Amino acid sequence: QKEVEQDPGPLSVPEGAIVSLNCTYSNSAFQYFMWYRQYSRKGPELLMYTYSSGNKEDGRFTAQVDKSSKYISLFIRDSQPSDSATYLCAMWKGTYKYIFGTGTRLKVLA
Amino acid sequence: DTGVSQDPRHKITKRGQNVTFRCDPISEHNRLYWYRQTLGQGPEFLTYFQNEAQLEKSRLLSDRFSAERPKGSFSTLEIQRTEQGDSAMYLCASSLALGLETQYFGPGTRLLVL
Repeated sequence: QKEVEQDPGPLSVPEGAIVSLNCTYSNSAFQYFMWYRQYSRKGPELLMYTYSSGNKEDGRFTAQVDKSSKYISLFIRDSQPSDSATYLCAMWKGTYKYIFGTGTRLKVLA
Repeated sequence: DTGVSQDPRHKITKRGQNVTFRCDPISEHNRLYWYRQTLGQGPEFLTYFQNEAQLEKSRLLSDRFSAERPKGSFSTLEIQRTEQGDSAMYLCASSLALGLETQYFGPGTRLLVL
């Protein structure tokens, strides 16, 4: 079993929809949870990071962590075609490396 | 631009050739990481440096791979005797070893081995 599981998609939604992206994990040692956005053939770009269970909001993006269920989510409100990208969750347990999910491909249709 | 930079952005080589990639981290960051990403997968950790010291290497990093970070600034990743299975995006990231190590990624070097 992988330490981090993420549905690879693709996920297609109409412009303006609310998007929900999710990851599950198996290692309770993970302390920090990150979401990266990666456009095609580009490097990952950090969107948000969270530490504790609960919600964190930044503009149209909300990150949610449920440590009891080992489940994290990223919500995108009022999705735009420019949000079309691959979204990667990443987790850190206080050591040097991140463990990434496989990424979910999102396409927002105009 | 003060972000992480990588060079070259693309490399096509023939099987058996050696290739070298360069990464310039964010200037004040003392940690530097190399990851490899194949199509449809997330980045996988290869190795990391704290200043000039290489502190960890993944089992993914075979003997054909070597990385250096002289003087704790830029880093190079060399692949000797390339194989078709080495075709991937090679990503460099840097961070400041202070609390949460937010890793900032470069644009990557896309390698194609023919």
